[in-house]
Amino acid sequence: AQKITQTQPGMFVQEKEAVTLDCTYDTSDQSYGLFWYKQPSSGEMIFLIYQGSYDEQNATEGRYSLNFQKARKSANLVISASQLGDSAMYFCAMRDVTGNQFYFGTGTSLTVIP
Amino acid sequence: EPEVTQTPSHQVTQMGQEVILRCVPISNHLYFYWYRQILGQKVEFLVSFYNNEISEKSEIFDDQFSVERPDGSNFTLKIRSTKLEDSAMYFCASSELGRLYGYTFGSGTRLTVV
Repeated sequence: AQKITQTQPGMFVQEKEAVTLDCTYDTSDQSYGLFWYKQPSSGEMIFLIYQGSYDEQNATEGRYSLNFQKARKSANLVISASQLGDSAMYFCAMRDVTGNQFYFGTGTSLTVIP
Repeated sequence: EPEVTQTPSHQVTQMGQEVILRCVPISNHLYFYWYRQILGQKVEFLVSFYNNEISEKSEIFDDQFSVERPDGSNFTLKIRSTKLEDSAMYFCASSELGRLYGYTFGSGTRLTVV
């Protein structure tokens, strides 16, 4: 069974600082995809970044990067130069080889302080 | 950028009534999904749909729920005899054939059962 764990229910970061949101996963599959989504207070789910299990390099998308440590089964999201608009819920998710569903973590609420 | 469109954005219904949540997936996508998120909780998989049939469903997706692709563009979730605990945000998503890649989520329908 797949499982995603996000151990930080809430995080605070000073504007312009970097922040790391933790995510660990559990799977017996060799092939899988890891994702981070942002959910602002308006409720929509916004795709941020993707890491495939066979990707050798960490994924980056602008100010977002994914610190992928396969042996430790962790896929932490790093947000650099935090902005006030980054305040939101962040969900880590995994898609397995069958691809039929995502497994989501419980989310981390990030608050950026001016 | 192509979007998944969900209507309505907010629906209020009386307990026991039937509701239909509507989604227009991205036109060249082949896989369609419904997820729900009860307030303050994580996003949960309901059902996946491919080639005009359900490919996978969760335990949540019981006989109260049904999905349909009535024409070439719409994808609907019907909830019969709604209960208070059906109150949640319902997300539609679609994806291309690449199974290890992400979905595009719609902006969600907030269902409130009173």
